[in-house]
Amino acid sequence: DGGITQSPKYLFRKEGQNVTLSCEQNLNHDAMYWYRQDPGQGLRLIYYSQIVNDFQKGDIAEGYSVSREKKESFPLTVTSAQKNPTAFYLCASSLGVANQPQHFGDGTRLSIL
Amino acid sequence: DQQVKQNSPSLSVQEGRISILNCDYTNSMFDYFLWYKKYPAEGPTFLISISSIKDKNEDGRFTVFLNKSAKHLSLHIVPSQPGDSAVYFCAAITGNQFYFGTGTSLTVIP
Repeated sequence: DGGITQSPKYLFRKEGQNVTLSCEQNLNHDAMYWYRQDPGQGLRLIYYSQIVNDFQKGDIAEGYSVSREKKESFPLTVTSAQKNPTAFYLCASSLGVANQPQHFGDGTRLSIL
Repeated sequence: DQQVKQNSPSLSVQEGRISILNCDYTNSMFDYFLWYKKYPAEGPTFLISISSIKDKNEDGRFTVFLNKSAKHLSLHIVPSQPGDSAVYFCAAITGNQFYFGTGTSLTVIP
């Protein structure tokens, strides 16, 4: 059963700590994305990757880092430089060709202790 | 700058009636539009899409209309069911860039 798995579902971080959110997909999709959702706002793009070992900054990349060492995996690190990290984080993937829908994981809610 | 806008944050509809969710966009380069449905604590799920060369696409109870001259997109759900209660996001694509609206929370009243 193909899909996108994000873990953990809930994550707590102390101020000053880096934390890594996991995203794995078995859809054989080339493109993967990370979004952030805040209350009352739409999805804002943090980073995206269209191919292994390559990724691009989105609209709000500051304070975040990613890697794409494997096609199936696109982990997101929220660094201590991100001043307001409390949010709902969504990972998505797509075939990577034009006009194909993105498929989303169930999200990770990150909170600061 | 919000290129895709959903100006109604919420909508309530009686079960069995039509739900109409609206979306406006500013970028004439968008060539594909989508609607997603999202339940609390879950990721959005793809619902229906439309190419910019069409003005209507229908899938069961869901119909998406595109008015390019007005840069306006709408989703019609007929008949509305309580299970349709969710947040609906419209999205637009140009190249491989996705742009999402802020969402409209639909409540279908039994």
